[in-house]
Amino acid sequence: DTGVSQNPRHKITKRGQNVTFRCDPISEHNRLYWYRQTLGQGPEFLTYFQNEAQLEKSRLLSDRFSAERPKGSFSTLEIQRTEQGDSAMYLCASSFGLTNTQYFGPGTRLTVL
Amino acid sequence: KNEVEQSPQNLTAQEGEFITINCSYSVGISALHWLQQHPGGGIVSLFMLSSGKKKHGRLIATINIQEKHSSLHITASHPRDSAVYICAVDDKIIFGKGTRLHILP
Repeated sequence: DTGVSQNPRHKITKRGQNVTFRCDPISEHNRLYWYRQTLGQGPEFLTYFQNEAQLEKSRLLSDRFSAERPKGSFSTLEIQRTEQGDSAMYLCASSFGLTNTQYFGPGTRLTVL
Repeated sequence: KNEVEQSPQNLTAQEGEFITINCSYSVGISALHWLQQHPGGGIVSLFMLSSGKKKHGRLIATINIQEKHSSLHITASHPRDSAVYICAVDDKIIFGKGTRLHILP
């Protein structure tokens, strides 16, 4: 257990539905990252926050995806109008300051039917 | 061409062998990470390095900034080392596709 938690661990949804995932980072960590990983591939960067500010977004993050970190603590990742191509493991990681060693959560596995 | 390339993609070795996994990158970086991912998805950060060499137990990571190359070595490999090893580079947080390592008892 790295201290980063994600909920739910698994989500099955039908195409077109909205889903929301939550990440609780290690409490003193100011940076929070979201990644997506499909089977057999390495993770892909989606977005990251420093405190409550969303500092960078990948072009992979279409307008159906939105992420928030309202109080600089937990974060949510919402996918609207899900598509089958959204099926993946969604990983969250957190780090503190310039050391940037990231601690990963267990991931949320999304299956879109 | 991917910005982060790992080799080999798959590696099977006998217990006790010395293992080397390579990572080459084409972008400027401030740091390089080696990560370990076990079946079931959990990812653990092994090393973050920006120069030279780091050692932790049986694991050694080296980086050559001029050549844009890093290696991860495992000495006296053990079946519990079987996992996917991923190289990732900062600042754009680009990941390699991983090296699947399988150590046979």
